[in-house]
Amino acid sequence: KQEVTQIPAALSVPEGENLVLNCSFTDSAIYNLQWFRQDPGKGLTSLLLIQSSQREQTSGRLNASLDKSSGRSTLYIAASQPGDSATYLCAVPNYGGSQGNLIFGKGTKLSVKP
Amino acid sequence: EAQVTQNPRYLITVTGKKLTVTCSQNMNHEYMSWYRQDPGLGLRQIYYSMNVEVTDKGDVPEGYKVSRKEKRNFPLILESPSPNQTSLYFCASTKMWDFSNEQFFGPGTRLTVL
Repeated sequence: KQEVTQIPAALSVPEGENLVLNCSFTDSAIYNLQWFRQDPGKGLTSLLLIQSSQREQTSGRLNASLDKSSGRSTLYIAASQPGDSATYLCAVPNYGGSQGNLIFGKGTKLSVKP
Repeated sequence: EAQVTQNPRYLITVTGKKLTVTCSQNMNHEYMSWYRQDPGLGLRQIYYSMNVEVTDKGDVPEGYKVSRKEKRNFPLILESPSPNQTSLYFCASTKMWDFSNEQFFGPGTRLTVL
């Protein structure tokens, strides 16, 4: 059964710092991996989707990488800003089962201090 | 604008009083699903639907019902809500048979059952 883990659970950094969020998954047979942002009590905003055939995806100050063989993905945030403060979640579709069922990590809560 | 909408956004009710949370998407997606999000447990799939009149259980279906009479709508029904169903609920949609596509989430419904 696929399991997704995110480390650290919480992270506090000063404004301007570059940072990396980690996501690992136990089954390397994945279709894709999606990173989301969630503001407190709010919905999920899709940030990046990496296909299983891709190594990385970029959107603005965000860069996500994928290493299927090692079961890892990282989300790199450059020049962090207080507005980046949120919980970041990664998720993979449930391969072989209900394929639309996303298996989520528990998230990394990021706080960027001015 | 492509979106998933949910109503209501906030709901406080009492044990046993039937309620329905509506979900609608305007992207002509075949696949729709419901998740609940709880502290420490993360997001878990409740029910999903692969097309009109086709629904199936997710990981935590007990106490919930769904229907899919139209492609755009996928309501979540709690026939006799209990306090353990207090949670943040999300509706999601994606294209069927193309799980390389990203999933889109609604803004969430915060339900409190007293």
